[in-house]
Amino acid sequence: DTEVTQTPKHLVMGMTNKKSLKCEQHMGHRAMYWYKQKAKKPPELMFVYSYEKLSINESVPSRFSPECPNSSLLNLHLHALQPEDSALYLCASSQSSYGETQYFGPGTRLLVL
Amino acid sequence: GEDVEQSLFLSVREGDSSVINCTYTDSSSTYLYWYKQEPGAGLRLLTYIFSNMDMKQDQRLTVLLNKKDKHLSLRIADTQTGDSAIYFCAEMGNAGNMLTFGGGTRLMVKP
Repeated sequence: DTEVTQTPKHLVMGMTNKKSLKCEQHMGHRAMYWYKQKAKKPPELMFVYSYEKLSINESVPSRFSPECPNSSLLNLHLHALQPEDSALYLCASSQSSYGETQYFGPGTRLLVL
Repeated sequence: GEDVEQSLFLSVREGDSSVINCTYTDSSSTYLYWYKQEPGAGLRLLTYIFSNMDMKQDQRLTVLLNKKDKHLSLRIADTQTGDSAIYFCAEMGNAGNMLTFGGGTRLMVKP
C-alpha cells in the first residue's frame, strides 16, 4: 500500500485564523515532506522531515510552522496567512531521506480570504 | 540550479500513442520520475527509471532515457480519455532527497 492521506481536503480561512493541515502514512516511511503547488505550476518544496527531525526548510515564512509528532504524522500549522498563500498543499513520504521515491497525498486545497 | 523542462501541452486522439518529452541539466541525476496529476488531485507516481537504464516498460507505459543528451520520454500506448491529465517529469540529484520538477505537460485526449 502506497497511501498518504491528508485532511482536510478543502480549507477556507481568514487572515487572522489559526488552522492545521494533517498528513498521515502507515508505510513505515521515515521521511516526510510538505510542498506548495500553485495553479498550473509544479510543486515547490517547503519542508523535509527525516527521522522526525526537520532537515530542510526552504526559507518558508514563519506563518507556516511544521510539526512531526511521530514517524507517521506530519502537521502544518497555519497562522496569519496572506491571500497569496492560497494553493494546493501536498504531503509526501519516502522510505528514507536519501534518494528514495516520494509518494504524494491527495493534497489540501487552501483558500485564504 | 538544476533545471527540468517539458513542453506545455500535447493533444492526441483516443487510441493513438502519446509521447511526452523532458530534458534535464543535472548530470548526476540518480532517478528520473513521471508523475500524473488529474484535476484537483495530488501527484500519482506512474513510473521511474534509474539513471543507468535506458528503457523501462510497464504495461502501456514506456520510459526512454538518453543520458548523453539528458532526455527522458514517456510513451503511452493506446491513449485513453482517462489519461487526460498533467504529467510531471522529475529528477532526483545525487544530493539525495530533493526532487526537481519540470513545469508539467498537459495531455488532452480527444474521443
